[in-house]
Amino acid sequence: DGGITQSPKYLFRKEGQNVTLSCEQNLNHDAMYWYRQDPGQGLRLIYYSQIVNDFQKGDIAEGYSVSREKKESFPLTVTSAQKNPTAFYLCASSIQGNYGYTFGSGTRLTVV
Amino acid sequence: AQSVTQLGSHVSVSEGALVLLRCNYSSSVPPYLFWYVQYPNQGLQLLLKYTTGATLVKGINGFEAEFKKSETSFHLTKPSAHMSDAAEYFCAVSDRGSQGNLIFGKGTKLSVKP
Repeated sequence: DGGITQSPKYLFRKEGQNVTLSCEQNLNHDAMYWYRQDPGQGLRLIYYSQIVNDFQKGDIAEGYSVSREKKESFPLTVTSAQKNPTAFYLCASSIQGNYGYTFGSGTRLTVV
Repeated sequence: AQSVTQLGSHVSVSEGALVLLRCNYSSSVPPYLFWYVQYPNQGLQLLLKYTTGATLVKGINGFEAEFKKSETSFHLTKPSAHMSDAAEYFCAVSDRGSQGNLIFGKGTKLSVKP
């Protein structure tokens, strides 16, 4: 079955550590997206990529980094510069055009 | 810039009652319109979408939405709520001719009382 897989489902990070969240899709979608979700704030766009080896900052990119070396993969690194990283992170993908997104099941990151 | 407003961050209905979740967009040019549902600790699932054609759109789980250009609205309805409908619902839009990036509303949490 085609889909989008996020791992791990739960992740704990110590203060000052970088962590990487995985997002893999086998839908042959060109575009991929990372969102952060906090209670009552909806979805906020972190980074997106429309094509391999290219990506753009979203609304809240500070403290995050991404890479897009393969069409299938769009990992997100939460760096130590992100002061409040505890949140639910969602990855999504889409084909070009206005067809909507397919979402992964999310990663819940907690700073301990 | 395009924006999406969902009226009511929380809506509570009784089982069997009508569900009405409101969504308004800001663009003067009708965008593409979407409704997504999110169950706790899960990703978002597409309920329905409007791109062109018939303005009443039917989706999964008995939901439907009507695009009203004059009101710049795309409200989501279901005639009879079920306990399993309790979830958070997000309205989203993307501009015609754009790359397809979605702009999301802040979500409405639906509670269903027995």
